[in-house]
Amino acid sequence: QKEVEQDPGPLSVPEGAIVSLNCTYSNSAFQYFMWYRQYSRKGPELLMYTYSSGNKEDGRFTAQVDKSSKYISLFIRDSQPSDSATYLCAMSARYGGATNKLIFGTGTLLAVQP
Amino acid sequence: GAVVSQHPSWVICKSGTSVKIECRSLDFQATTMFWYRQFPKQSLMLMATSNEGSKATYEQGVEKDKFLINHASLTLSTLTVTSAHPEDSSFYICSARLETWADTQYFGPGTRLTVL
Repeated sequence: QKEVEQDPGPLSVPEGAIVSLNCTYSNSAFQYFMWYRQYSRKGPELLMYTYSSGNKEDGRFTAQVDKSSKYISLFIRDSQPSDSATYLCAMSARYGGATNKLIFGTGTLLAVQP
Repeated sequence: GAVVSQHPSWVICKSGTSVKIECRSLDFQATTMFWYRQFPKQSLMLMATSNEGSKATYEQGVEKDKFLINHASLTLSTLTVTSAHPEDSSFYICSARLETWADTQYFGPGTRLTVL
């Protein structure tokens, strides 16, 4: 079983739709949760990061973490064609003075149709 | 803020030659940088963790003599692919860790290596 599971998609939605992207994980030690967006042939761009459980909102993006269910989500409101990209979830734990390496999901390919 | 650059963005080389890729944190200091490899339509594969002033830590299965990492300053890490072969062709991406409460990683734009 992988530490982090993410549906690879592809996920196709019409412009303006609400998009829900999800990851599940197995390691209860994970405390830091991130979402990255990666356009084709580019490096990943950090979108959101959260600590422990709860919600965080930034513009059209909302990140949710449910540690009891080991489940994280990224919601995109009013999706735009420019949101078409691969979305990667990533998480890490802290041991001692610094966080451990990031563990990534496989990424979900999102296509927003105009 | 938190910008990471990579150079070159793409490189083509002949089999048997060595290629150096630079990763720079432009507006912050990074004690730790990471090197990843990504195959088409796949997620990132961590190759090694680069620590300023000390030896890199390689992931299992990554040949340290083939992928030489040097982290000579708090803003620069280099990856040298030695004696490159066609199977080393890939997208190489670095990241730099911003040491805050979340230790977030910021990624460079990637380097596409093609070995002929």
